[in-house]
Amino acid sequence: SQTIHQWPATLVQPVGSPLSLECTVEGTSNPNLYWYRQAAGRGLQLLFYSVGIGQISSEVPQNLSASRPQDRQFILSSKKLLLSDSGFYLCAWSVKGQGRSPLHFGNGTRLTVT
Amino acid sequence: QKEVEQNSGPLSVPEGAIASLNCTYSDRGSQSFFWYRQYSGKSPELIMSIYSNGDKEDGRFTAQLNKASQYVSLLIRDSQPSDSATYLCAVTGGSYIPTFGRGTSLIVHP
Repeated sequence: SQTIHQWPATLVQPVGSPLSLECTVEGTSNPNLYWYRQAAGRGLQLLFYSVGIGQISSEVPQNLSASRPQDRQFILSSKKLLLSDSGFYLCAWSVKGQGRSPLHFGNGTRLTVT
Repeated sequence: QKEVEQNSGPLSVPEGAIASLNCTYSDRGSQSFFWYRQYSGKSPELIMSIYSNGDKEDGRFTAQLNKASQYVSLLIRDSQPSDSATYLCAVTGGSYIPTFGRGTSLIVHP
């Protein structure tokens, strides 16, 4: 069966510090991968999605970036965090080529920028 | 701009009652519809998928889809306090990227 791992679970970082969140998927090949952010009491905001290694699409211009160095690995990064970057970050995957495939989420990372 | 609308709630129902959660969407080309449950502080969990008009039942959950009215709903029968959560509606059209509603908060009180 497929599983998605996301770490760390919680993170407290000062403003201006760098960020690296990692996500890996097991049990499937060539998935679509996604990064979402959910601010407190708000909906899900799509940040990045990827259809393959090195292929990243950004939905929202911001100080975050994403990379996909391996088929089942997705990394979210920032060089300098802002207070507004605080939130619940979720990685997700779906089956490629199937518009009917739902997204499956990792457990999320709660980031607090102080 | 594709939109998915949900009443934010909270929807409060007594234990044992039927909870009815509703969702409307703007893109007439939408093809796939999903309901997720999100407990406070946790990630969304898929509970139902529906692709064609009509009802789809899975245990205590029933998803209903009406494409002509651009409306999808989730019924939870015999609601339990453990069903208290936020329910997210997600809709996928021609692309594989779903549009999420902001969710409806459900409270089931004993």
